[in-house]
Amino acid sequence: EADIYQTPRYLVIGTGKKITLECSQTMGHDKMYWYQQDPGMELHLIHYSYGVNSTEKGDLSSESTVSRIRTEHFPLTLESARPSHTSQYLCASSETSGRTWDTQYFGPGTRLTVL
Amino acid sequence: DAKTTQPPSMDCAEGRAANLPCNHSTISGNEYVYWYRQIHSQGPQYIIHGLKNNETNEMASLIITEDRKSSTLILPHATLRDTAVYYCIVRVAGSARQLTFGSGTQLTVLP
Repeated sequence: EADIYQTPRYLVIGTGKKITLECSQTMGHDKMYWYQQDPGMELHLIHYSYGVNSTEKGDLSSESTVSRIRTEHFPLTLESARPSHTSQYLCASSETSGRTWDTQYFGPGTRLTVL
Repeated sequence: DAKTTQPPSMDCAEGRAANLPCNHSTISGNEYVYWYRQIHSQGPQYIIHGLKNNETNEMASLIITEDRKSSTLILPHATLRDTAVYYCIVRVAGSARQLTFGSGTQLTVLP
């Protein structure tokens, strides 16, 4: 089992609220990812990090922001949540060497509902 | 990344081996075959991957044909908890950040 954690698992909030979704991994992986996934649909990469202080936006435009101050921690923040942000948010990580390099390991996800 | 083709659904009796096929006839020489699964409402779970040799780990075995145009994921003793959508993807390690899963196979393990 991959050691990657996400909190909260479920979140219901009102429009306009600021939220932070937490993601932590204990595997020492350099690369971390945030995906958005709607039920039965494809994954969409929204943010990516090569390592500490390195972040990039993914292929899907997102109003969220991320930070990577520590290797193990990759939080995602929505400054003002809207109903269109309702989705499942998945965090993943991968290593840059070894037999399973570039294999992405996923956390359990945060299901966000914005009312 | 090469395209893959999987049957949309399969059933398997609990305790029996589940054999999930995947066709990837346009696979390139440097593309790996990866298998993931996703149980409803949970994050995808990595299962196994390989380049050309057969692979086995604590979860499953991966059999890749000699011409690498197809592969089979084997769950040796399926349990009810193995009910999930199984995705076969082929990609060059390190080539792209985005993982693209496709439609996958819905495996239902029956009691």
